Amino acid sequence: EDKVVQSPLSLVVHEGDTVTLNCSYEVTNFRSLLWYKQEKKAPTFLFMLTSSGIEKKSGRLSSILDKKELFSILNITATQTGDSAIYLCAVSAFESNAGNMLTFGGGTRLMVKP
Amino acid sequence: DTGVSQDPRHKITKRGQNVTFRCDPISEHNRLYWYRQTLGQGPEFLTYFQNEAQLEKSRLLSDRFSAERPKGSFSTLEIQRTEQGDSAMYLCASSLRSNVGGEAFFGQGTRLTVV
Repeated sequence: EDKVVQSPLSLVVHEGDTVTLNCSYEVTNFRSLLWYKQEKKAPTFLFMLTSSGIEKKSGRLSSILDKKELFSILNITATQTGDSAIYLCAVSAFESNAGNMLTFGGGTRLMVKP
Repeated sequence: DTGVSQDPRHKITKRGQNVTFRCDPISEHNRLYWYRQTLGQGPEFLTYFQNEAQLEKSRLLSDRFSAERPKGSFSTLEIQRTEQGDSAMYLCASSLRSNVGGEAFFGQGTRLTVV
């Protein structure tokens, strides 16, 4: 059964700090790894990673995938209070009858204090 | 708003009642998914439609759960004889078949409380 584990479970930082969120996975027929941000409602898409070693970047957020060691990290630099949210990691596998079904980790709850 | 739309946003029901939730996906998306999210957990996959065909339903939590997408557009998720353990957020997501990597867009969810 596919499995995604995120760490830490929660994190409290101050504005301006840099944080690293971790995601490890076990999946048969890996297709991609995705990061989402969830603020009390719909998860919003951040990144999709399919290849090892290629960093995806969007503003202060960046992410990279290691398919050999089966993990990904999400970095947030110069954190702001608006970054406070639950960050979800998910994996997609090649399954002919399940489309792009995602298996999610439990999330990391980030709180950024002013 | 051209995103995924879910209705209602909140539902409170008494144990034993039936409930139905609706999801309107992004219009050009042919794939539709239902997930359940309980407090402190990530979303858990329930079922998947490609157009009107329900291609994966083995992960629906029990035979009290059913879903339809009759015309390949909106979808409904029904829970019969609700139990307190059904209290959760029910999320709908949609994607294009061409999104090979798996990028899906989520609705705001329906929060169900069973009392």
